[in-house]
Amino acid sequence: DGGITQSPKYLFRKEGQNVTLSCEQNLNHDAMYWYRQDPGQGLRLIYYSQIVNDFQKGDIAEGYSVSREKKESFPLTVTSAQKNPTAFYLCASSTRQVTNTEAFFGQGTRLTVV
Amino acid sequence: AQSVTQLDSHVSVSEGTPVLLRCNYSSSYSPSLFWYVQHPNKGLQLLLKYTSAATLVKGINGFEAEFKKSETSFHLTKPSAHMSDAAEYFCVVSDRDTGFQKLVFGTGTRLLVSP
Repeated sequence: DGGITQSPKYLFRKEGQNVTLSCEQNLNHDAMYWYRQDPGQGLRLIYYSQIVNDFQKGDIAEGYSVSREKKESFPLTVTSAQKNPTAFYLCASSTRQVTNTEAFFGQGTRLTVV
Repeated sequence: AQSVTQLDSHVSVSEGTPVLLRCNYSSSYSPSLFWYVQHPNKGLQLLLKYTSAATLVKGINGFEAEFKKSETSFHLTKPSAHMSDAAEYFCVVSDRDTGFQKLVFGTGTRLLVSP
């Protein structure tokens, strides 16, 4: 089945640690995205990538980093510089078409700082 | 920049009654608009999308939405609610200002369905 796989489903981080969230897609999509979801705030864009080896900051990139070495993969690292990392993280992918493009979402990773 | 406003953070209905979830958008050109649904601790699933063809858009699970340019609205409706419709719903507009489609999400409306 084609789709997007995020792992792990739940992740616990200690203060000061970096953690990496995995996102893999087999939809042959060029574009991939990371969103953060907090209660009552909808989804906010962290980073996006239009093509392999290229990525751009979204609206709330501070404290996060990404890489796009393969078309299928777009891992997100939450660094110790992110002061409030506890949230639900969603990865998505789409074609690069400029208009009318829907995004396909993974099942999310819930990150909790302990 | 484009934006969407979801007018209700929570909507409560009884099973079998109509559903109305309201969304207004702001866009300087003809927008692409979407409704997504999210069940607890799950990813988002596309319900329907407006692509500048028919103004009345039909989606999955009996949902539909009407694009009204004069009112800058894209409200989501369903004639008869089912218990399985209880979820969070997001209205989304595409932002093409950067030459790349970036999806801008509303803050969501939680739909509660009682027996």
